[in-house]
Amino acid sequence: DGGITQSPKYLFRKEGQNVTLSCEQNLNHDAMYWYRQDPGQGLRLIYYSQIVNDFQKGDIAEGYSVSREKKESFPLTVTSAQKNPTAFYLCASSAPDRGPTYEQYFGPGTRLTVT
Amino acid sequence: QKEVEQNSGPLSVPEGAIASLNCTYSDRGSQSFFWYRQYSGKSPELIMSIYSNGDKEDGRFTAQLNKASQYVSLLIRDSQPSDSATYLCAVIQGYSSASKIIFGSGTRLSIRP
Repeated sequence: DGGITQSPKYLFRKEGQNVTLSCEQNLNHDAMYWYRQDPGQGLRLIYYSQIVNDFQKGDIAEGYSVSREKKESFPLTVTSAQKNPTAFYLCASSAPDRGPTYEQYFGPGTRLTVT
Repeated sequence: QKEVEQNSGPLSVPEGAIASLNCTYSDRGSQSFFWYRQYSGKSPELIMSIYSNGDKEDGRFTAQLNKASQYVSLLIRDSQPSDSATYLCAVIQGYSSASKIIFGSGTRLSIRP
């Protein structure tokens, strides 16, 4: 059963703490992405990775960090430097090597609340 | 000007009617176009992709692309209450593996009984 998993579904943290969100995929996709969605807003790209051990900043990377040590995994750390971390975080993957379609498939998301 | 623009809605359509969702984009180099459906509190689900001018049909859904007008639309025939959701338009500029997908803010669709 192929897909993208994100854990946990809900996460609560105190202000000033770093927190790491998990994203795993078994679709054998090379590219993975992290987005943030705020209520009533579209998706904003935080970081993306097209290959293991390489990643690029998206539009709102400040206060976030990522790693890509394995093809299947792309964890996102929300650091204490992120001013407004409360949001819905979505991980996605795609297979750009399969042609110029780049369809992205999303995990179920993690809803982070920081108080 | 936003790169991908959608009317935020809500768009209210009676059950059984055709719902028409529209999206415009600013980059003429855009090559790939997608429609995602997002239920409240859930993640986006890919429902249609289109790459060339014209219509593409899949069940009750039809995507229409007009690159000259920089316009892509989604038609939902025989609208059902289960179609009530936010629909996100997404666009990829170019064929490069470095191309990023740009999302619109979404149109909220409500199907009334």
